[in-house]
Amino acid sequence: AQSVTQLGSHVSVSEGALVLLRCNYSSSVPPYLFWYVQYPNQGLQLLLKYTSAATLVKGINGFEAEFKKSETSFHLTKPSAHMSDAAEYFCAVSGGNTPLVFGKGTRLSVIA
Amino acid sequence: DAEITQSPRHKITETGRQVTLACHQTWNHNNMFWYRQDLGHGLRLIHYSYGVHDTNKGEVSDGYSVSRSNTEDLPLTLESAASSQTSVYFCASSGTTSGGALYNEQFFGPGTRLTVL
Repeated sequence: AQSVTQLGSHVSVSEGALVLLRCNYSSSVPPYLFWYVQYPNQGLQLLLKYTSAATLVKGINGFEAEFKKSETSFHLTKPSAHMSDAAEYFCAVSGGNTPLVFGKGTRLSVIA
Repeated sequence: DAEITQSPRHKITETGRQVTLACHQTWNHNNMFWYRQDLGHGLRLIHYSYGVHDTNKGEVSDGYSVSRSNTEDLPLTLESAASSQTSVYFCASSGTTSGGALYNEQFFGPGTRLTVL
């Protein structure tokens, strides 16, 4: 079985500051890991995914995430926050041939 | 361009009524999923399907049903709507590799906001 814990339901950063959204997973098999973003009144859009290739994964809009097996983590980062990054972010895990299991989400606010 | 659509986008209904939410995808994906999104719970899986005539229960399937008669559509039915089913519902789909493995990247529809009074 798989599960995801996102630390912090709400994160607030200043424009230009580092964005760090935390995700820890649990999986009984090698995991596939994902970050999705949801803008207000929209569906979810894939930011990036880890599927057992490179441990540092680059996604869209300048985001990246690093898979750390020893820490069971897949934290999302962006060096410099933009106002347009304000959204809800979801981490998700799959065991490979099973549906995604999502975390509860982290709302990112960007302050001018 | 391929897409996944949901209808209606907004629905208000009364307790006890049957409601059907539509999901249609033109990706030709084998796999389709229904989730509900509630504050503080993230997305929770209701039902999913790996192909025509295949359906499976998810984490929160009680009070919901689905049927898959073709590749493109997976309608979600609330047999007797309850106030606890007030939520935003998302449909998603994903493909399958030539070897039969599940492509985990899911594509999401825009959602249906359902209110049960």
